[in-house]
Amino acid sequence: SQQGEEDPQALSIQEGENATMNCSYKTSINNLQWYRQNSGRGLVHLILIRSNEREKHSGRLRVTLDTSKKSSSLLITASRAADTASYFCATDSNYQLIWGAGTKLIIKP
Amino acid sequence: ETGVTQTPRHLVMGMTNKKSLKCEQHLGHNAMYWYKQSAKKPLELMFVYSLEERVENNSVPSRFSPECPNSSHLFLHLHTLQPEDSALYLCASSQFRGSRNEQFFGPGTRLTVL
Repeated sequence: SQQGEEDPQALSIQEGENATMNCSYKTSINNLQWYRQNSGRGLVHLILIRSNEREKHSGRLRVTLDTSKKSSSLLITASRAADTASYFCATDSNYQLIWGAGTKLIIKP
Repeated sequence: ETGVTQTPRHLVMGMTNKKSLKCEQHLGHNAMYWYKQSAKKPLELMFVYSLEERVENNSVPSRFSPECPNSSHLFLHLHTLQPEDSALYLCASSQFRGSRNEQFFGPGTRLTVL
């Protein structure tokens, strides 16, 4: 069954604005990962946050994790056209990553 | 690039054809994965290899047959596929098997079954 579920399914914003995507999951986790996929290509790892961490930063990316609500958010600040992509969260289960269906982000120039 | 290559990038085949997808990783990783990505669906893990041994087979039909001859190469042999098998097939690798490691993905093979 699907573990991670992203929200919204699609998001369209103006260049320069901030973009926030959310991920909810069902069972307890050891870590949660965020990946980006440009159209029709492979996924690229963005950030891994462990269950004992609440927030993590990488450049313009900020990830939060709330284990009590079983949710995570990915914030992209000062968005650029190159940020147009699909974003996926993945949670761990039994040595495997369980993926959500992704949020499609479009940055309008 | 991520260090994981896949060939071919696009493949069109009939239901009676036999073809193979190839994946190669240049990262010295011990684990390799095959995923299927269909439109608007989560990634589906198909197979996992750790140190050249298959450790996961997620109820994949036998018309998909993986092969891992060494830790750098992974194949997916395709035979008698169905139109619903049309999808993007992604190969990934990680240093070790397990969800604590980030996975590095290849660009994928876009498969169309006629």
